[in-house]
Amino acid sequence: GAGVSQSPSNKVTEKGKDVELRCDPISGHTALYWYRQRLGQGLEFLIYFQGNSAPDKSGLPSDRFSAERTGESVSTLTIQRTQQEDSAVYLCASSWDRENTEAFFGQGTRLTVV
Amino acid sequence: GEDVEQSLFLSVREGDSSVINCTYTDSSSTYLYWYKQEPGAGLQLLTYIFSNMDMKQDQRLTVLLNKKDKHLSLRIADTQTGDSAIYFCAESPSNTGKLIFGQGTTLQVKP
Repeated sequence: GAGVSQSPSNKVTEKGKDVELRCDPISGHTALYWYRQRLGQGLEFLIYFQGNSAPDKSGLPSDRFSAERTGESVSTLTIQRTQQEDSAVYLCASSWDRENTEAFFGQGTRLTVV
Repeated sequence: GEDVEQSLFLSVREGDSSVINCTYTDSSSTYLYWYKQEPGAGLQLLTYIFSNMDMKQDQRLTVLLNKKDKHLSLRIADTQTGDSAIYFCAESPSNTGKLIFGQGTTLQVKP
């Protein structure tokens, strides 16, 4: 596609349920990032994939969070046993490589845990 | 460590210059970035500067980098109401490749 695509755009889930968020990066981009943006807050780094290297998971807030990426394509971010504090916009970005000057962002998935 | 800090809010009058400041911690960052987030929209790269430069000018935008103090600023000349947005500073430590963002500065432009 022309840009980074995220789905769903909005997700409302009950506390304790698992959710899966999807990111389709720009074709050919080797780097993929997940960020969390709470209401009125900055971007909180979650995880970074670069090619076939082991992902940098240093930003994942707890073991309820996990992410996968198949090769240089789609990535999914899974949150298990969701809590109300997980409510946020989850942003995905991709870029050509680690030295690239621009990361392209998707529109985000707004997750609301009720 | 990796940390990027920005002031949270700036209000200016239309036509004035805006200066948004940022400090970062990782001196290995090859590039430093400014991203813009408009209401209800995703983030877009506004401009960037290579770490061996002191200044970069791009139309109404001027980026100044003080590498010694790890201080980055974005100056917007002749600020317009359309410039109202949240501006994020970001660094990219060369040994990690990941982008680290500040908490964002909300720029309010009053007519």
